[in-house]
Amino acid sequence: DTGVSQNPRHKITKRGQNVTFRCDPISEHNRLYWYRQTLGQGPEFLTYFQNEAQLEKSRLLSDRFSAERPKGSFSTLEIQRTEQGDSAMYLCASSQGPSQFFGPGTRLTVL
Amino acid sequence: AQKVTQAQTEISVVEKEDVTLDCVYETRDTTYYLFWYKQPPSGELVFLIRRNSFDEQNEISGRYSWNFQKSTSSFNFTITASQVVDSAVYFCALMRSQGGSEKLVFGKGMKLTVNP
Repeated sequence: DTGVSQNPRHKITKRGQNVTFRCDPISEHNRLYWYRQTLGQGPEFLTYFQNEAQLEKSRLLSDRFSAERPKGSFSTLEIQRTEQGDSAMYLCASSQGPSQFFGPGTRLTVL
Repeated sequence: AQKVTQAQTEISVVEKEDVTLDCVYETRDTTYYLFWYKQPPSGELVFLIRRNSFDEQNEISGRYSWNFQKSTSSFNFTITASQVVDSAVYFCALMRSQGGSEKLVFGKGMKLTVNP
């Protein structure tokens, strides 16, 4: 039973660069979620997909952030023109029902 | 608006002690789900339990038990005979069960340290 996987696990970038993260959900799960977690805080919702449709976006998701799930399987989260405030853990989760199962996360550091 | 409060930020216990993690939530929804997740030092959030708002029966799973009280909007988590491996940050979370939004709203978490 393969869980949610995320790549890369760590990313260090310079301010102003673009970064892209990938999430592969559990294979039979049709829902996929992105969250962001900063130090000492709980995860905060960013966006979610049901199959390939993006059904909800948080106000946290500025226009520098874009997420896709083109074939209803894996998803990518891109951040353009990164800022130091984007440094965080980016978590992906998937579900078939109400319970969401999380991947290991991608830790982004913006220098 | 939905909100989850975990008033305790950090607890330290000695192995074999019992420990209770408090969670209080706010919602205007009549139906909802409550969750507990564990985040060990490795960082991955591990699902522990989901509870439906209409089911107030308490649940026990091994050394873990959960007490859901709708009257006080609380969903507390007790670890009996704690072990070093229980050391982690624990999050309580809330989600609507109707109305389209499927986002989890998390508390700030409670760091548990179990000392040998």
